[in-house]
Amino acid sequence: GIQVEQSPPDLILQEGANSTLRCNFSDSVNNLQWFHQNPWGQLINLFYIPSGTKQNGRLSATTVATERYSLLYISSSQTTDSGVYFCAVPSTNQAGTALIFGKGTTLSVSS
Amino acid sequence: ETGVTQSPTHLIKTRGQQVTLRCSSQSGHNTVSWYQQALGQGPQFIFQYYREEENGRGNFPPRFSGLQFPNYSSELNVNALELDDSALYLCASSLYNSPLHFGNGTRLTVT
Repeated sequence: GIQVEQSPPDLILQEGANSTLRCNFSDSVNNLQWFHQNPWGQLINLFYIPSGTKQNGRLSATTVATERYSLLYISSSQTTDSGVYFCAVPSTNQAGTALIFGKGTTLSVSS
Repeated sequence: ETGVTQSPTHLIKTRGQQVTLRCSSQSGHNTVSWYQQALGQGPQFIFQYYREEENGRGNFPPRFSGLQFPNYSSELNVNALELDDSALYLCASSLYNSPLHFGNGTRLTVT
């Protein structure tokens, strides 16, 4: 099945810094989602981005489907950005909309 | 618009017992998916229900079973609990083949 790799595994930033998180996937996909998991465990949708670039406030994401990767940019980071960021793509050997998640990038932003 | 709600939030069970977790879908969504997230890992797909039928299953044994009701709410049942079943269980609802929206999860501890 499809493999999803995220890097870096851990990231420590000072408030105000910018960062780029990467997601590589091993097969063609028709959609990709980025999630933020807060300290209470809730997975929050950030982007649904099969290709191209989307922006939402300080966050933006770019997916280059032909090269099988996606990037999540966080600008002017805040302490509330801390948590784990996951990317997920549809499984290639499951019916329905089963998502395969990467292992995540744990972001810690200090003031 | 009501989001995805899960109950209970926390649960402690003994090895060998059975457990039922519950999920109410976001209004208008007809598909429910369940994921297991072990500590430090990304969520893993258990199964999905669409129109009250199982519509895809991950690599989980038959003692993991589920139901979807006519109002699109869902249950996850786990029989003969094992220590390794300790995890955060996440429910997500969606329209078919559309972005997933997750609940806050149920944290299950098996002792």
